[in-house]
Amino acid sequence: QVQLQGSGPGLVKPSETLSLTCSVSGYSISSGYFWGWIRQPPGKGLEWIASMHQGGSTYYNPSLKSRVTISLDTSRNQFSLKLTSVTAADTAVYYCARHGAVELKWFDPWGQGTRVTVSS
Amino acid sequence: AIQLTQSPSSLSASVGDRVTITCRASQDISSALAWYQQKPGKPPNLLIFDASILESGVPSKFSGSGSGTDFTLTISSLQPEDFATYFCQQFNNYPTFGGGTKVEIK
Repeated sequence: QVQLQGSGPGLVKPSETLSLTCSVSGYSISSGYFWGWIRQPPGKGLEWIASMHQGGSTYYNPSLKSRVTISLDTSRNQFSLKLTSVTAADTAVYYCARHGAVELKWFDPWGQGTRVTVSS
Repeated sequence: AIQLTQSPSSLSASVGDRVTITCRASQDISSALAWYQQKPGKPPNLLIFDASILESGVPSKFSGSGSGTDFTLTISSLQPEDFATYFCQQFNNYPTFGGGTKVEIK
């Protein structure tokens, strides 16, 4: 059974960089699949951020591309997200999820979510 | 970006009711659509993919239909555990989500 567990700081100051990590158990990320990040601002809908395949293919939401980096660490079976120059608009619950075997498809399963607040 | 418009944004229904939620895409996405259920404080849970294929372990009271630009999620007989928010997601292009439909108890 594949399980994902996100982690990272709950509070980030404006203009700083948000860094999150997702630990995967029950499946080796080096075996395949895209791995991605999605966020949900308080009381709002879902926004896909980025996804990466162990083969190196990487896709970013065009609206966030200039500020986002996604990476995989196969030795630790983890993947990470960095979002630079954060503002209050980046306050959200950030989810990690598995995202399609060969192409960007549906997300399943999801991690439990990491709540991030951007505030000084 | 492909926009997904869900309707209604919220609805009130009774246990046992048949509920239908619609999702309209701003352009043809073939069958590249998934549906999720989300309960408060929890991540979304995949219900249906490829517009009509039920994810393993999901009760058969859930069904999906449609192709092109118009899609529906139907719950055949609403149960207390089904009161939640439902989202559609397209994967024809880079992924986008609908705004959600909150199903509340009447």
